[in-house]
Amino acid sequence: AQSVTQLGSHVSVSEGALVLLRCNYSSSVPPYLFWYVQYPNQGLQLLLKYTSAATLVKGINGFEAEFKKSETSFHLTKPSAHMSDAAEYFCAVSAPPASGGSYIPTFGRGTSLIVHP
Amino acid sequence: DSGVTQTPKHLITATGQRVTLRCSPRSGDLSVYWYQQSLDQGLQFLIQYYNGEERAKGNILERFSAQQFPDLHSELNLSSLELGDSALYFCASSVAGTGGDTQYFGPGTRLTVL
Repeated sequence: AQSVTQLGSHVSVSEGALVLLRCNYSSSVPPYLFWYVQYPNQGLQLLLKYTSAATLVKGINGFEAEFKKSETSFHLTKPSAHMSDAAEYFCAVSAPPASGGSYIPTFGRGTSLIVHP
Repeated sequence: DSGVTQTPKHLITATGQRVTLRCSPRSGDLSVYWYQQSLDQGLQFLIQYYNGEERAKGNILERFSAQQFPDLHSELNLSSLELGDSALYFCASSVAGTGGDTQYFGPGTRLTVL
């Protein structure tokens, strides 16, 4: 079965510093990969997704992620953090089960990004 | 605003009761997904519908059921409620319901079971 692991339930950075949120996945078939952001009391919003085109994916708000098949990773980065980036970030994988069938979305446990002034 | 609407916003009920959560997808989207978000389990995929038909099933309990109607809105029915069912329930929609589709999430329904 597919799975997603987000390393670190909390990541704290200073404003202007590099943001790096880690995501590793497992899947028996090439998956689709996503990063979503959730602000307090809101639903999730797509930041970016990998759908087997370019391995470096650019998203909204200056975020980007690189798909590394050899490392089964899809880490999210942003060169310079803003206070408004403080939120919960979810990595997700979408793939069919090994037995075949429809794509099943699986989300990581989330990483809370804290930005200090 | 994602364009996905969910009602009610909050729901408080007692153990053993039954509730219905409603979701209206974005205009033009044919697929609807339901998720449960709790501190214990994180965000769990429950079920997906595409144009009225069930397409994929996740960790949905037998006490839970869902359907998508001809006008494409969806309802999630939760019965014989237990304390552990207290959670945020999200609906999401996408255009075609394929694996690489972007899902647009609603604001959620917060269910509290007392």
